[in-house]
Amino acid sequence: LAKTTQPISMDSYEGQEVNITCSHNNIATNDYITWYQQFPSQGPRFIIQGYKTKVTNEVASLFIPADRKSSTLSLPRVSLSDTAVYYCLVGPNTDKLIFGTGTRLQVFP
Amino acid sequence: NAGVTQTPKFQVLKTGQSMTLQCAQDMNHNSMYWYRQDPGMGLRLIYYSASEGTTDKGEVPNGYNVSRLNKREFSLRLESAAPSQTSVYFCASSEELGGDPYNEQFFGPGTRLTVL
Repeated sequence: LAKTTQPISMDSYEGQEVNITCSHNNIATNDYITWYQQFPSQGPRFIIQGYKTKVTNEVASLFIPADRKSSTLSLPRVSLSDTAVYYCLVGPNTDKLIFGTGTRLQVFP
Repeated sequence: NAGVTQTPKFQVLKTGQSMTLQCAQDMNHNSMYWYRQDPGMGLRLIYYSASEGTTDKGEVPNGYNVSRLNKREFSLRLESAAPSQTSVYFCASSEELGGDPYNEQFFGPGTRLTVL
């Protein structure tokens, strides 16, 4: 079972870059790393996914080192609306999809 | 295209009562999931259905049953509700279970259930 470890919470200010790191020491060869975002009173939504190196989309970047035992979600120039909980998942080598407790990001003006 | 819909949005039950939470998706997805989220906690998988006609237990299946009625609908039943089942319940769907790459899940708005 691929387990992930993330910081419980992080604080930032508007306009700053935020990096959230996730540890997944027992990631399997065919596992991908996926990040979800959850706003209060809503279901999570997909942000980004990667397998190795770097992936970038219009919302975030995902950095994955060569050993793939960790990954970093990077949110450029955060705004108040980025205040949310961010979850790191690894799969599909497990069908018991584990969200964990996530990282609660608070953005201040 | 409504995505994933859940009914009801809110429900209050007394201990021992039963109820069924409904979930439907219009994205022609094969896989569907039920999660619960307790206050300040992450999501925990209750049951999932990899495809129509199949269901499997997740992390916390005790006290629940599910039915994959057809490809669109996946219901969650509490036969005898307990206060420990007070939670927010989310339904989700994805094209396939897992997949290569891992298929993203699309979540419904949730059902807030309180058991007194």
